[in-house]
Amino acid sequence: NAGVMQNPRHLVRRRGQEARLRCSPMKGHSHVYWYRQLPEEGLKFMVYLQKENIIDESGMPKERFSAEFPKEGPSILRIQQVVRGDSAAYFCASSPRYGGEGTEAFFGQGTRLTVV
Amino acid sequence: ILNVEQSPQSLHVQEGDSTNFTCSFPSSNFYALHWYRWETAKSPEALFVMTLNGDEKKKGRISATLNTKEGYSYLYIKGSQPEDSATYLCALGGGADGLTFGKGTHLIIQP
Repeated sequence: NAGVMQNPRHLVRRRGQEARLRCSPMKGHSHVYWYRQLPEEGLKFMVYLQKENIIDESGMPKERFSAEFPKEGPSILRIQQVVRGDSAAYFCASSPRYGGEGTEAFFGQGTRLTVV
Repeated sequence: ILNVEQSPQSLHVQEGDSTNFTCSFPSSNFYALHWYRWETAKSPEALFVMTLNGDEKKKGRISATLNTKEGYSYLYIKGSQPEDSATYLCALGGGADGLTFGKGTHLIIQP
């Protein structure tokens, strides 16, 4: 059972380009979380998705950022017209259901986005 | 917005010594508390999930306690080893709001 897979591991984009970050959850997991770690800061929640639904996107900037988790395929975090301040490590986690016991989130290795 | 506080931010401990650190959170509407261990250049790894007041969980030399009435959890490491050096994250929630992470306690074990 492969863990949470994120790709690419490293992504370099020029200002104004689009960045697409992919997250394949663990098998059997239907809940996906995206987190961002800015330099010198801890993990910040961005968005929580279930299959085909955005449950909570309160941590995601209103503009330029979007996320989806389609019925088939990985979850995608999309950043349009990237700016230098978007440079960060983006982590994805998945869990089998939300809640307490037995619902630990497992994290991917992260995608490090650098905007030049 | 949930406020999850961890203290101290960083901690230097001599190899062989025991240590502990704290996660504080709002005690209302508690759902679950998670502890994660995050080693440099790796992804966070789940340690414990606790849901009941008074819960105590143990994994090897690491244990955690939970007090939901006063809103805190302690993580204890007994007889610290160099491989324990990591950032320890706690996260509150589950439910519709997802997980809210604290900023972590960065633990450095000195030989």
